[in-house]
Amino acid sequence: AQRVTQPEKLLSVFKGAPVELKCNYSYSGSPELFWYVQYSRQRLQLLLRHISRESIKGFTADLNKGETSFHLKKPFAQEEDSAMYYCALRDQGAQKLVFGQGTRLTINP
Amino acid sequence: DAGITQSPRHKVTETGTPVTLRCHQTENHRYMYWYRQDPGHGLRLIHYSYGVKDTDKGEVSDGYSVSRSKTEDFLLTLESATSSQTSVYFCAISESGTSEAFFGQGTRLTVV
Repeated sequence: AQRVTQPEKLLSVFKGAPVELKCNYSYSGSPELFWYVQYSRQRLQLLLRHISRESIKGFTADLNKGETSFHLKKPFAQEEDSAMYYCALRDQGAQKLVFGQGTRLTINP
Repeated sequence: DAGITQSPRHKVTETGTPVTLRCHQTENHRYMYWYRQDPGHGLRLIHYSYGVKDTDKGEVSDGYSVSRSKTEDFLLTLESATSSQTSVYFCAISESGTSEAFFGQGTRLTVV
């Protein structure tokens, strides 16, 4: 069965420091992976998806099939990055998204 | 923001009472989803719909039912609310099963 694991519930770093939010998955097929973000008092929104291979707000994520990981990285954290981050996997058989438990990122000034 | 609204935004109800949450979209998207968000569990899929009158269960469907009689509306019903159903409920829509999902603002439900 498909599963997404985010091992860190909370992550706190200082402004300007590098950030890495971990995501591991289990899926029998070819995975399609996403990062969603929820800023305070806002809707959950798509941050990036692995197939587009783009950088959004300085964040990147690389799919590592060998390690079944899709970690989210940013070299220099900013205070506005404080939010809840969710890793998600698309179950292509049923066309639905499976989410991880989420990581709350706090950037300290 | 995508045209998706949830109602009500907040509700307090008593154990054993029926509750219906509404998700309304103006995007004519085919797919609609109901998730619940709980600390330590992230977002878990309750039910989803891939067309009018076409629905399927998610991973935490027990105690919930859904209906979709029109493209624009997806209703989530708790037949007899329990305290374990206290949560924040999110609706999402997607044009196809492979496209981006857009989320509503959420409904905070408290069962006392």
